[in-house]
Formats: sequence, structure tokens, C-alpha cells
Amino acid sequence: QMHLVASGGGVVQPGGSLRLSCEASGFSFRSFGFYWVRQTPGKGLEWVSFIRYDGSNSYYTDSVKGRFTISRDNSKSTLYLQMNSLRLEDTAVYYCAKCSRGDHGGDLDFWGQGNLVTVSS
Amino acid sequence: EFVLTQSPATLSLSPGETATLSCRASEPVASYLAWFQQRPGQSPRLLIFDSSKRANGVPDRFSGSGSGTYFSLTISSLEPEDFAVYYCQQRRSWRLTFGGGTKVEMK
Repeated sequence: QMHLVASGGGVVQPGGSLRLSCEASGFSFRSFGFYWVRQTPGKGLEWVSFIRYDGSNSYYTDSVKGRFTISRDNSKSTLYLQMNSLRLEDTAVYYCAKCSRGDHGGDLDFWGQGNLVTVSS
Repeated sequence: EFVLTQSPATLSLSPGETATLSCRASEPVASYLAWFQQRPGQSPRLLIFDSSKRANGVPDRFSGSGSGTYFSLTISSLEPEDFAVYYCQQRRSWRLTFGGGTKVEMK
């Protein structure tokens, strides 16, 4: 049975940093790419980032480029999102989602539970 | 950017009725369109991928169709657990985008 367990959310001041983690079990983590997707009441669901199965390539939406870094540790079956220089508009529920294949462009076929990040002064 | 527009925003129906949800893309996305269900307090769940293929474990009352710029999701004979928000999403572009959602509520 597949599981994606997220952690690391919380409240942070503008300009601060947070690291989200997403630990996988029940499948071969190292074989699949992973996405981070965020959700807000105002903007709905928004793709944030993607990382290849082997970590060799990653992609970002323009609004987080240069501030967020996606990474993975296949030995720990864990996905990360390092978020720096956080802005008020980064406030959202963040989801990790498994890609149906190793490289970008596959379907988001399994999602972890949401992790609330609140950026507030 | 591929903009996805879903309609209607809200659909009020009774159990046993059929729901038809629409998703229109600003540019052709071929068949690279998926549908997700999100129940209150839960994460999105993949229902349909490649426009018409059901994901594992999805009941056959859910069906998808369309290609290019117009897509639809049909839920036949609504069950109580089907009342939720539904999103479409395209992967034609590596910049994935989602529609704004359709809420299927109980009348």
C-alpha cells in the first residue's frame, strides 16, 4: 500500500525559510519522478516543481525559481522542498505527488496529505 | 500558458442523477488531460488520465472524453461519496496547469 507522509510545514515570517519533506513507502521510490503542488483558496491548485527519478533534472514554476529547491534522497525514499525568501503569497497547502513515470510529463497518480505553510508577520 | 476553464462552477444534483462536467483548454492539449476528485479535507485523487482512461480502483460510473480543447467528465448515477470538487489538469506543457474546479453538491 502506497504512502506519502509529509512534514515540515508551519508558520514563518516573510523572508524566512522552511523545508518540507515527503517520505514514501509501499513502492519503488527511486523509479519515479515527483511533483510539489500547492493549493490556495484564491489561486486553486498550482504546480510548483518537479524532480526526475534520479534527481538529475528539476523544473520550477516561475514564481519560485531561485527561491525554492527540490531534491530527493533515494536511499531514504524522501522528497524535499527547501523554501527560502518566503513571501506572503507562498502561503498554501503544499502536496507532494508521485509521477506515473521517471521523467517529467507523467500523471500525478498519487498524492500525499497536505502540509500547510503560512507566511505571516 | 495553457489555461483550463471548468464549467459550471457548481453543480447541484441528487444521488442517482448524472453529472456532466466540462473543461476547456485555451490551446490544444491533445489527450493529455486528467481529472481529479477532492473531497473535503482530503488530497486530490486521480480519476481519469489521458482524457478517458480510468485510474486504478476508479468505479466505472466515472468516464472521461474529449481531445484538443474540449473535455468532459461524466459521473453516472451519483453516489453520496461522489459529492466533491473535481479538477481537470493538462500535461501537454511541462508547466502543468489545473482548472479552477467544479463543485458537485447535493441538492
